[in-house]
This record gives sequence, structure tokens and C-alpha cells, in this order.
Amino acid sequence: AQSVTQLGSHVSVSEGALVLLRCNYSSSVPPYLFWYVQYPNQGLQLLLKYTSAATLVKGINGFEAEFKKSETSFHLTKPSAHMSDAAEYFCAVAPNYGQNFVFGPGTRLSVLP
Amino acid sequence: NAGVTQTPKFRVLKTGQSMTLLCAQDMNHEYMYWYRQDPGMGLRLIHYSVGEGTTAKGEVPDGYNVSRLKKQNFLLGLESAAPSQTSVYFCASSPLVGEQFFGPGTRLTVL
Repeated sequence: AQSVTQLGSHVSVSEGALVLLRCNYSSSVPPYLFWYVQYPNQGLQLLLKYTSAATLVKGINGFEAEFKKSETSFHLTKPSAHMSDAAEYFCAVAPNYGQNFVFGPGTRLSVLP
Repeated sequence: NAGVTQTPKFRVLKTGQSMTLLCAQDMNHEYMYWYRQDPGMGLRLIHYSVGEGTTAKGEVPDGYNVSRLKKQNFLLGLESAAPSQTSVYFCASSPLVGEQFFGPGTRLTVL
């Protein structure tokens, strides 16, 4: 069975600082991996996805994530946080592209002025 | 394109009442999903559908029923609402190969 762990339910960074949100997964097969962002009172929006092509994936709003098979990780980073990045971020894993996602519990990102 | 829409946006029920949540997508996607979101638990899959006329149970199906009579619509029903079903419900759809697209959510409170 697949599972997703997101270390830290709440992360705070200063505006302009590095953002690092951690995601580790367990999967018996090479997975597809996703990061979604949820702004207050909205649905989830895809940030980026790993589909077994390049291990470094670039997404929207300056975010990127690196797939590390040896560490079973897919951490999300952004070099410089902006106030508008404050949201909840979810990592998800799927054995098949488009089906049966398993979501992590989410990490709430706060950006301090 | 409207994408994925959900009706209603908010609802308050009393214990034992029934209701139906409607999800509609205009992207001609094959797959549709219903999730619930609770604090600290991420999204949990309730039911899903891999095509018109088909449904399957997800992680937390008890107390819910679904129907997909038309490809673009996926209905989630609560026959006898319980306070434990207070949650935010999200519908999503996806093509055969691709990521899931989410609706804006329905906030349900059961008193």
C-alpha cells in the first residue's frame, strides 16, 4: 500500500527566505508524484508533477521539486518566499498516472513579513 | 470551460437528514472522484468512478452512496447524515492519463 508523509504540519518562513516542504512516500512500484496547493476556501490546484521524466521538476509560481528514488522523497522548494505563497500544500502519490491518488496530510505554509 | 463545479457550496443538515451533492465537469474526463477533507488528515477518497455507469469504493465509503448516470456528472449522497460527516467535500476529475482537477468544495455541517 502506498502512503505519503509530510514532515511538519505547519511551516513558517520569512518573506524572501527559502521554502522547503518535505514529502516522503512509500510505494512498491515507481510512482507518479504530485504537489498541489490549496488557498483558503478553494479547491486544490496542481503545482507540479513527476512522471518519470526529469528528476527535477519545475512548476508554477517558481516552485520546483526533486525526485530522489534512493531517499523516497519529493521535496518542494522555492528560493524566495512571497506573501502570496501562504497556503496549504499537499503531496500525492499514484501508482498509475491519473488514478487512485494517495494524499499526504498537508503542510500549512505561513509567510511572515 | 468551467472545469469542475460543485453544488451547493455550503449546507447545514440535522442528524438523520439526507442530501445529494452534485459534481459536474466539462472536460470530458473519464474518471471522477469524491474526497472529504478533515483537519490534519489530508484528503481521503470516498468513492470514485472510472466511467459512466460505474462506481467503486474508496478509503472511507461508509455512509455515502454515489451515482454516475452521465459522464459529466458524479453525485454523492448521504442517506442519513451524522455529525461525523461534517467535513469539506471535494470532487475531482481526470482523463485516462493525467492529473486530477478539483472543484471548489462543499462545506457540510451536520448538527
